[in-house]
Amino acid sequence: DSGVTQTPKHLITATGQRVTLRCSPRSGDLSVYWYQQSLDQGLQFLIQYYNGEERAKGNILERFSAQQFPDLHSELNLSSLELGDSALYFCASSPREKSYNEQFFGPGTRLTVL
Amino acid sequence: GENVEQHPSTLSVQEGDSAVIKCTYSDSASNYFPWYKQELGKGPQLIIDIRSNVGEKKDQRIAVTLNKTAKHFSLHITETQPEDSAVYFCAANRQAGTALIFGKGTTLSVSS
Repeated sequence: DSGVTQTPKHLITATGQRVTLRCSPRSGDLSVYWYQQSLDQGLQFLIQYYNGEERAKGNILERFSAQQFPDLHSELNLSSLELGDSALYFCASSPREKSYNEQFFGPGTRLTVL
Repeated sequence: GENVEQHPSTLSVQEGDSAVIKCTYSDSASNYFPWYKQELGKGPQLIIDIRSNVGEKKDQRIAVTLNKTAKHFSLHITETQPEDSAVYFCAANRQAGTALIFGKGTTLSVSS
């Protein structure tokens, strides 16, 4: 158990809908990363937050957004969902921005768009 | 940007054999190379990592080697066991606090 929690574990929804995925980092970790895992693209970085502020963006679609709250949990919002958004979404946390490379992953949320 | 290539995509070995997975990276500034193990239905688990100032690192049955000149690094698993069966990912990044760039993964199957 990495100490990173994600909810829900599974999510099934329809095209055009909006969903919110939640992540709680390990106790004390300030940095949260979101990754998308699909069969053909592997693990792709979406976005990073550090202590409430957006730090970096990767291959994140404009329909997707995220935020990190004062208690350090993070939410990933996916809107106008398409079939191709079906994937596993992972968050990872890391202790500090500059000193640690290690990232610890949560169990993921499996999103199915029908 | 960084690109990480991983080979092979699948690997089948007999219990007790060794397994080797290889990765190459493109960004010579990359300096951190972790390996993750992902079991079915779970998130990636960090199993070992190496930094660019080290050529080899061992942890019981697993070891990682790094060749900075050739820009490749490898995962070695000795005395494989059925519970080693999983998908293994290599990754790289150039600075602490930045996103990891992952290889496409290797599905390792260990048969008893």
